[in-house]
Amino acid sequence: QKEVEQNSGPLSVPEGAIASLNCTYSDRGSQSFFWYRQYSGKSPELIMFIYSNGDKEDGRFTAQLNKASQYVSLLIRDSQPSDSATYLCAVNRGDRDDKIIFGKGTRLHILP
Amino acid sequence: DARVTQTPRHKVTEMGQEVTMRCQPILGHNTVFWYRQTMMQGLELLAYFRNRAPLDDSGMPKDRFSAEMPDATLATLKIQPSEPRDSAVYFCASAPSWGAEAFFGQGTRLTVV
Repeated sequence: QKEVEQNSGPLSVPEGAIASLNCTYSDRGSQSFFWYRQYSGKSPELIMFIYSNGDKEDGRFTAQLNKASQYVSLLIRDSQPSDSATYLCAVNRGDRDDKIIFGKGTRLHILP
Repeated sequence: DARVTQTPRHKVTEMGQEVTMRCQPILGHNTVFWYRQTMMQGLELLAYFRNRAPLDDSGMPKDRFSAEMPDATLATLKIQPSEPRDSAVYFCASAPSWGAEAFFGQGTRLTVV
């Protein structure tokens, strides 16, 4: 079992709709969770982080964490063509074993 | 504008040659990561350091890869000898503390022919 799993996509969403991206992780000791966006040919950039169960909102983005189910999601409201990118889920134990492990990413395509 | 700086941005080399990639982490960040990204494998963690000490390099092929932090402002990743299968984008990232998010450099695109 991979440590961090994501559906590779592509996920196609009409402009203005809600895009929902999902991620599961295997290590129950994980404490920090991140969503990165990566445009083609560019480096990953952080868009959201979440540490506690529940929802965290930042503008059009909402991250959701359920530690019991080992599940993290990212919602993008009012999707724009500029949101078309690969979204990477990342997980960190946040203790002595402080490494950040990434999923392979989900390609999101916003349809104009 | 604090950022992670990687050099070179692009490198084309012949099989068997030594390749050295350099990274300057963000000032004050105490954790440095080296990742390799390919279409097939995604972002793979090769090695990481905290306060310049190597914590985990289990993701690296030990026989040909080595990673060091000679000082707090420089991390290096060396491949000797390089092979065509090493062709990938290599990213360095740094983080300010335990559990914190990592900030990525622009990457080194390596092509081994």
